[in-house]
Amino acid sequence: DAGVIQSPRHEVTEMGQEVTLRCKPISGHDYLFWYRQTMMRGLELLIYFNNNVPIDDSGMPEDRFSAKMPNASFSTLKIQPSEPRDSAVYFCASSLAGGAYEQYFGPGTRLTVT
Amino acid sequence: KQEVTQIPAALSVPEGENLVLNCSFTDSAIYNLQWFRQDPGKGLTSLLLIQSSQREQTSGRLNASLDKSSGRSTLYIAASQPGDSATYLCAVDDTGTASKLTFGTGTRLQVTL
Repeated sequence: DAGVIQSPRHEVTEMGQEVTLRCKPISGHDYLFWYRQTMMRGLELLIYFNNNVPIDDSGMPEDRFSAKMPNASFSTLKIQPSEPRDSAVYFCASSLAGGAYEQYFGPGTRLTVT
Repeated sequence: KQEVTQIPAALSVPEGENLVLNCSFTDSAIYNLQWFRQDPGKGLTSLLLIQSSQREQTSGRLNASLDKSSGRSTLYIAASQPGDSATYLCAVDDTGTASKLTFGTGTRLQVTL
């Protein structure tokens, strides 16, 4: 398996623009997670899905952020409109099941909003 | 709210030394604890996962221990190598329903020649 795939790897955009980050989890994994990593706040869970259904989005910072998982092999995280404070590395991770299984992380998308 | 702390924040050791990284958490009612490695500019790689019922896990030169009652975990690295240089993060799952992890701040390790 190729592991968790994220695209793009780097994204530079201007404030106010819409940004869409993409993730392909490992085949067969039931859980998908979106994280954000910054120097100030470390690694934070934004939202996670179980069998394509959003379970907990309490970490989503505000209404400008939205995430979807239309099928088992694809998820998006959208920011509209983007702001400079959204600049961070966004990671997608997946796991086989909850609780007892390890999470596998993608390489991340480095987002810079100018 | 669960808080996870890792001390030290940074550590430099000469090659060949054995070393211990520490992780502490405020709420001992956890279901599992996971140690990760992150290389600069890369994603996280899972190293070891310890279930709450376990005391330790081993993988090669790595050994992770868990003491739930005291809210502590350690990651022991034997015979360190320059390739071990990375940031090490611990994370705890205290939900039990899914791997909703709370991460520590990490320890940046440098192993020198």
